[in-house]
Amino acid sequence: DTGVSQDPRHKITKRGQNVTFRCDPISEHNRLYWYRQTLGQGPEFLTYFQNEAQLEKSRLLSDRFSAERPKGSFSTLEIQRTEQGDSAMYLCASSPWTGERGQPQHFGDGTRLSIL
Amino acid sequence: EDKVVQSPLSLVVHEGDTVTLNCSYEVTNFRSLLWYKQEKKAPTFLFMLTSSGIEKKSGRLSSILDKKELFSILNITATQTGDSAVYLCAVEVGFQKLVFGTGTRLLVSP
Repeated sequence: DTGVSQDPRHKITKRGQNVTFRCDPISEHNRLYWYRQTLGQGPEFLTYFQNEAQLEKSRLLSDRFSAERPKGSFSTLEIQRTEQGDSAMYLCASSPWTGERGQPQHFGDGTRLSIL
Repeated sequence: EDKVVQSPLSLVVHEGDTVTLNCSYEVTNFRSLLWYKQEKKAPTFLFMLTSSGIEKKSGRLSSILDKKELFSILNITATQTGDSAVYLCAVEVGFQKLVFGTGTRLLVSP
C-alpha cells in the first residue's frame, strides 16, 4: 500500500524565486488537499481538489500561490516570487470521497521550504 | 472563525504513566473530529470520531467525543518512549478542510 508521496523533501531557494512542489496521492483517493505547517503550529488548510476540480481555494495565502491537479491524479503547488514568510512545511493529504460521509485524510511527509 | 484548542501544550511523563490530552472546538458545520500523531514527518491518523459518547480504542490509545460540550479527549495508558510525539486534534468542517489545533507535545521519559 503506497502512501501519499511528496517531492522534493527539502527545498532551499533565494527570496524572489519560484518554487513548485509535487504530490502523488494514494491511488484510489479522489480528494487531494494542501496544508501549510509552521513551527509549533498545526497544519493550516490551503486548498483542495476533488478529481481535477479545485473546489476551495480562498484559503490560498496570496495570489502568489496556485495549485493544479490537471488529470485528477498528482497535484502541484507553486509559489511565485517567494518571500521569507513562505518558509514552512507544505503538507499534502488525500482521502476517498463517496458523497456520503467523510473519510480520514492521510498525509505525506511534506516538503520543507527554506527561503534564504 | 473556526477554532480548535488543545491542552496542555506540552507534557512530560514517565514511562508507564497514563495521560489525557484535551481538545475543545468551536466551528460551524462540524462533521467529525480526528486525532493524529506527528513525529518528525507526516501526521499519522489515529482516530475519527463522529458520534458522542462512543469510545474508540486502538491498543493503549482511546478517544471519545462530547458533541454537546464540544470537546474530545485522547487517553494513552501505560505510556512508552515511542509515544513521544506531537498529538494533533483536527475538526473536519463541511466535508472539506480540517481545522487543526496547535498540538500537544508529549515527552515520555524512560
